Amino acid sequence: EVQLVESGEGLVQPGSSMKLSCVASGFTFSNYGMNWIRQAPKKGLEWIALIYYDSSSKYYADSVKGRFTISRDNSKNTLYLEMNSLRSEDTAMYYCAKGTTGYWGQGVMVTVSS
Amino acid sequence: DIQMTQSPSFLSASVGDRVTINCKASQNINKYLNWYQQKLGEAPKRLIYNTNNLQTGIPSRFSGSGSGTDYTLTISSLQPEDFATYFCLQHNSFPYTFGAGTKLELK
Repeated sequence: EVQLVESGEGLVQPGSSMKLSCVASGFTFSNYGMNWIRQAPKKGLEWIALIYYDSSSKYYADSVKGRFTISRDNSKNTLYLEMNSLRSEDTAMYYCAKGTTGYWGQGVMVTVSS
Repeated sequence: DIQMTQSPSFLSASVGDRVTINCKASQNINKYLNWYQQKLGEAPKRLIYNTNNLQTGIPSRFSGSGSGTDYTLTISSLQPEDFATYFCLQHNSFPYTFGAGTKLELK
């Protein structure tokens, strides 16, 4: 069974940094691209980043480009999202999703507030 | 960036109704269009991938169609568990973009 478990939830101040993790199981992690997708409270979904299976390519939404970095460690079956210069508008539930988003984690809440 | 215009934003329907939800892309997305269902407090669940492929375990009352810029999700006979919010996603080109969502409510 495919499982994706995010961690790193928390409350941080504007301008600070935070790192999310997503541990994958139930499939060969190193064979799949992985995504981060977020959803602000009571809002729609926003795709924010994708990394290829071998980390050879990374893509970002304009809203996070230059501030967020997606990475992975295939030896640990883990996907990461490093978030810098956080803003209030980054407050959202953050989900990791496998491949073409057929499987999602349960999400973690990131709150950016002073 | 490709804009996804989803309609309607809200839909009121009854159990047993046939409903359709539409997504229009600002340019050709070559059928790289997925549909998701999201219930309150849960992660989205993929229903349909690449326009018309039913995700494993999803009931056959859900179907998808379309091409070019215009895509449709159809629920042939609404069941009580189908009242939720639905989103489309284009994954033809980066950045991937979602529709704004359709909230399906019980009439």
